[in-house]
Amino acid sequence: GESVGLHLPTLSVQEGDNSIINCAYSNSASDYFIWYKQESGKGPQFIIDIRSNMDKRQGQRVTVLLNKTVKHLSLQIAATQPGDSAVYFCAETPRQAGTALIFGKGTTLSVSS
Amino acid sequence: DARVTQTPRHKVTEMGQEVTMRCQPILGHNTVFWYRQTMMQGLELLAYFRNRAPLDDSGMPKDRFSAEMPDATLATLKIQPSEPRDSAVYFCASGLVLSAPSSYEQYFGPGTRLTVT
Repeated sequence: GESVGLHLPTLSVQEGDNSIINCAYSNSASDYFIWYKQESGKGPQFIIDIRSNMDKRQGQRVTVLLNKTVKHLSLQIAATQPGDSAVYFCAETPRQAGTALIFGKGTTLSVSS
Repeated sequence: DARVTQTPRHKVTEMGQEVTMRCQPILGHNTVFWYRQTMMQGLELLAYFRNRAPLDDSGMPKDRFSAEMPDATLATLKIQPSEPRDSAVYFCASGLVLSAPSSYEQYFGPGTRLTVT
């Protein structure tokens, strides 16, 4: 697999590898974090979320890790597939429910066969 | 399956013209957001509504932009007059926010790609 220590705008991996996409968030009061996937010509699509009282959450082939000490969020994609190629955004929102998301800079994931 | 719809999908207009973008949120959702996406700025919030009332429009240039919800099934974003710097993709998103527990998840529409020449 390939990991990224700091935010990089692009990440290229081989099919079957594990991918790790990193994100640094800005507000220590943020309570909720989401990863979105955006394919070309489409709107962002929800992948996985995590509350601030957790440090790890797993979904299908994806895992989100939250490190509140350093305000860092990561998305791990297992066995990356060509269909995973997209731009991935992390987003944060403060404690009040239903407030707008603050999006980070996206990472473009390219998966080659 | 339920989804947010936006019209038009593409709009090309000349500087100075009025542009109206429409959004139909998912039925039953009570919160609607307008975001703008550009290469330089990324995704930015313009405004959002809860139960059709505007809660925050601080991200919107007030002199030329206006956002409304005539009814629960329609949200509009209007630009008058439009300028080349307004060229971007405009996304509408909707969500259901209850008093407790609350969901933060927002469902995005496909966007309106606006080009102002």
